[in-house]
Order: sequence, then C-alpha cells, then structure tokens
Amino acid sequence: QKEVEQDPGPLSVPEGAIVSLNCTYSNSAFQYFMWYRQYSRKGPELLMYTYSSGNKEDGRFTAQVDKSSKYISLFIRDSQPSDSATYLCAMSDTDKLIFGTGTRLQVFP
Amino acid sequence: DAGVTQSPTHLIKTRGQQVTLRCSPKSGHDTVSWYQQALGQGPQFIFQYYEEEERQRGNFPDRFSGHQFPNYSSELNVNALLLGDSALYLCASSRLAGGSDTQYFGPGTRLTVL
Repeated sequence: QKEVEQDPGPLSVPEGAIVSLNCTYSNSAFQYFMWYRQYSRKGPELLMYTYSSGNKEDGRFTAQVDKSSKYISLFIRDSQPSDSATYLCAMSDTDKLIFGTGTRLQVFP
Repeated sequence: DAGVTQSPTHLIKTRGQQVTLRCSPKSGHDTVSWYQQALGQGPQFIFQYYEEEERQRGNFPDRFSGHQFPNYSSELNVNALLLGDSALYLCASSRLAGGSDTQYFGPGTRLTVL
C-alpha cells in the first residue's frame, strides 16, 4: 500500500464547474499538507499549504484536511481552462515531501 | 526575485555515463532537496542538503550523490546511468529556520538515458 493515494484521473469538466480533488494517506504522523499544480513539462507550483486539520481558502481554491479520516481535498470553484494541469497532493512529517501520483484535470470551454 | 533555477534544461546520456545537474535556490533559502519524477508519477524524494551536509536521504542507491556549496547552490550527481534513470529531476528550496516544509520547486532537468 502506498503512503499517499491519489486518483490519477483524467478528470474532464466544463468551464465554471466546481472541481473536487482528493488524496488519502496512511501515515498518521503527517502534519503538513500541500497541493501543487504542475503544467506539462514544468516544475510543480505550490498552491496551498495547510498545517494539521482544518480548512484554508485562497481565492477560488479551498483546501481541507481531515486527519481523523486521513483524507485531504482541494476544491476549485468557477474552474477555468487555465486550470488544466496535473494536481499533486503532498504531505510530510519532517522535511521530506511524500507525493501522490497526481490527478490530471482538463477544463474545457 | 529569482525563483529556483536549474541547469541544464534537457540532457541526453547513454547507459553507464555520469551526469551532474545543478540548482540555485530561491533567494533567502538555505535548504535544497532533490526529487526524481518519472513520467505519470509524483516526485520521489532523493535527498536534502543543509549547511553543506546531507540531512535526509530517500530510497535511492549510492549512485546518486550530491553536494551543497557555501552559497547554498547544489549539485546532483548520478553515476553509471541506467535506462530507468530517465526522468524529470526537480530541485526544491526552502528555509530550514522557518520550517522547511514549504518547498518551492524549480522547472526541472529532463534526463534521457539511451
């Protein structure tokens, strides 16, 4: 069993839709949770950073962490074609990041 | 403010050769981590450097080695290249004193081993 599980998709949605991306994990020691966006053939770009459980909102993006269920989510409101990318969840207990495989998202006009 | 930079952008090598990849961290950052990302996979942690010392290491063989310089820049060296080493190699920088979990990535070096 992988430490971090993420549905690889692809996920295809119309412009304006609400997108929900999710990851589950097995290591209860994880304290720091991140979402990265990666465009094709580029490096990952940090989108959201959350410490422990709770919600965090930044513009159209909302990150949720439920440590009791070992489940994290990223919601994208009013999705745009420019949101088309691979979304990677990442988490850590020390300084080493453990990533999911990434979910490929396509937003069509 | 320049972000994390990596060189070269692309590299093609043959099996058995050696390669050196370079990384300059974001201004104000003192910690550099290296990751390997195979096609269709998430990045996998190779190792992390702080104060010119290796702090942590992932599950990679000794063929993978690194170095950090006094100006915080870093190199990743891979010896005796295998076909399976073909991947995107990512460098991430962070500030240890501020909690180094906030890591910022460079654009990566795409290595192809033939």
